[in-house]
Amino acid sequence: EVQLVESGGGLAQPGGSLRLSCAASGFMFSHYAMSWVRQAPGKGLEWVSAIRGSAGSTYYADSVKGRFTISRDNSKNTLYLQMNSLRAEDTALYYCAKGRISETTREGFEHWGQGTLVTVSS
Amino acid sequence: QTVVTQEPSFSVSPGGTVTLTCGLSSGSVSSSYFPSWYQQTPGQAPRALIYSTNTRSFGVPDRFSGSILGNKAALTITGAQADDECDYYCVLYMGSGISVFGGGTKLTVL
Repeated sequence: EVQLVESGGGLAQPGGSLRLSCAASGFMFSHYAMSWVRQAPGKGLEWVSAIRGSAGSTYYADSVKGRFTISRDNSKNTLYLQMNSLRAEDTALYYCAKGRISETTREGFEHWGQGTLVTVSS
Repeated sequence: QTVVTQEPSFSVSPGGTVTLTCGLSSGSVSSSYFPSWYQQTPGQAPRALIYSTNTRSFGVPDRFSGSILGNKAALTITGAQADDECDYYCVLYMGSGISVFGGGTKLTVL
């Protein structure tokens, strides 16, 4: 059974940093692209970032480019999102999502975690 | 910046058929955008329904189908049930690793 478990969320001050983690199990982690998707309270889903299965290639939404960094450790089956220069508008539930192919999340997001909440406030 | 458009809300009668659409603020949606669809009930993570325009995810009943209708991607639900009442999101792949979600459609079954 595929499982994705996010952690690392919490309260951060504007301009601060947080590092999210997503522990994956139940599939060959290195064979699949992974993404982060967020949802602000009461709002819709927003794609944030993606990384190909073998790591290396990374992709970002304009809203986070230059501030967030996605990475993965295939030896630990873990996905990360380093979030710097946080803003109030980054407040959201952050989901980890598994792609269907290695290169990109072009074929959509097959499995989702339950999310970790990030709140940016002074 | 490209905006992916969805109807903010839609209603369907129990047992009825509804088609939700997913368009672009500029241009037409084709299978080259690999449209996918997700269902989200309040307080829950999204669930994958359709990918690559018309392929159902594992375990999704055949009441749900995807297609291209005119210049938009479409999700059709036949035989609507009470537990189909939730939010539906589409995603389009823009190339170069970039995906964009639509704003979501709140479906009411009444």
